Amino acid sequence: EPEVTQTPSHQVTQMGQEVILRCVPISNHLYFYWYRQILGQKVEFLVSFYNNEISEKSEIFDDQFSVERPDGSNFTLKIRSTKLEDSAMYFCASRGAQFGPGELFFGEGSRLTVL
Amino acid sequence: EDQVTQSPEALRLQEGESSSLNCSYTVSGLRGLFWYRQDPGKGPEFLFTLYSAGEEKEKERLKATLTKKESFLHITAPKPEDSATYLCAVRTNGGSQGNLIFGKGTKLSVKP
Repeated sequence: EPEVTQTPSHQVTQMGQEVILRCVPISNHLYFYWYRQILGQKVEFLVSFYNNEISEKSEIFDDQFSVERPDGSNFTLKIRSTKLEDSAMYFCASRGAQFGPGELFFGEGSRLTVL
Repeated sequence: EDQVTQSPEALRLQEGESSSLNCSYTVSGLRGLFWYRQDPGKGPEFLFTLYSAGEEKEKERLKATLTKKESFLHITAPKPEDSATYLCAVRTNGGSQGNLIFGKGTKLSVKP
């Protein structure tokens, strides 16, 4: 069964360092998303991406964040200068055109710990 | 402000003991309510979509219903493998496709 894969599963970084989280969405999906979940908190929307551009971003997704689809398979989230409060589980999700607007396929997540 | 509130936060059931999980929402305009299941250390897994009051969806031991202010996830004769956190999410008039507002979830434990 096709699935969304994310790497790394866990990354520890120092405050102020750049981090890139990688995702390989399901191959025929066209819509891509990043969500995050701070420990014990809600899953929160960060950004949606379609047709090689950002469709929508939340208030969390400030200038320190960027997304890119560098080739036909990868979808990345970059945090330019990490802060302590960026520590969270980051989920990539994708959606195919044949699925409804809320039917997202999530990866297993990348846990980011900022020290 | 759009809000999604789930109750209870945690629920412990004996195998076979049916119950319901609640998701209440206050939104500017509902364009869909979604239920997801999340296992520990995993990403959410889609279960159901509901669009209008009165709508019901079923899958195995789970049935989701929707009213104008809340949704219920009914679990009939649960088994230990139903243990997970169940998340409710909404899409509103102000959000694009895939921009979902999640509740904090209900952690369900089913004991054999």
